[in-house]
Amino acid sequence: DGGITQSPKYLFRKEGQNVTLSCEQNLNHDAMYWYRQDPGQGLRLIYYSQIVNDFQKGDIAEGYSVSREKKESFPLTVTSAQKNPTAFYLCASRRDAGQGGYEQYFGPGTRLTVT
Amino acid sequence: GESVGLHLPTLSVQEGDNSIINCAYSNSASDYFIWYKQESGKGPQFIIDIRSNMDKRQGQRVTVLLNKTVKHLSLQIAATQPGDSAVYFCAENIGTGANNLFFGTGTRLTVIP
Repeated sequence: DGGITQSPKYLFRKEGQNVTLSCEQNLNHDAMYWYRQDPGQGLRLIYYSQIVNDFQKGDIAEGYSVSREKKESFPLTVTSAQKNPTAFYLCASRRDAGQGGYEQYFGPGTRLTVT
Repeated sequence: GESVGLHLPTLSVQEGDNSIINCAYSNSASDYFIWYKQESGKGPQFIIDIRSNMDKRQGQRVTVLLNKTVKHLSLQIAATQPGDSAVYFCAENIGTGANNLFFGTGTRLTVIP
């Protein structure tokens, strides 16, 4: 059963703590993405990765970090430097990083609440 | 429909009626378009796509229409059902590369039983 998994579904943290969100895909996709979604707003790109050991900043990378050590995995760390971390985080993948014209597949999301 | 801030455009339809959701895209160079459905608390799901060399594409109960002249995309849902209630948003692809898909903010569809 192929797809993208994100864990956990809900995450609660105290302010000042770093937290890592997991994203795994078994679709053999090259490209992976992290988005943030706030209520009533569209998706905002945090980071993306075209291949293993390479990643690029998106529109709102400040306060976040990522790694891509394996093709299947693209974890996102929300650091204490992120001023407003409470949001719904979505991971996505796409089968070919180099070409256009392919849809992104999304995971189920992780809702992070920082108090 | 696009929106700014916390208020998404909304569309309410009676169960069994047809729904039409609109999207204005920004770039005349966009060559591929996708409609996604997002239910509350879940990740977006792919519904249907269309390439810029087409005007219309049909799926199961859904049809996407593309008007490149006015840069407008629409999603038609036939015989709308309660399970269709969700936020629907369009995405436009511009050229090649890994970061070339841009998302609209969406329209909230509510189906009234």
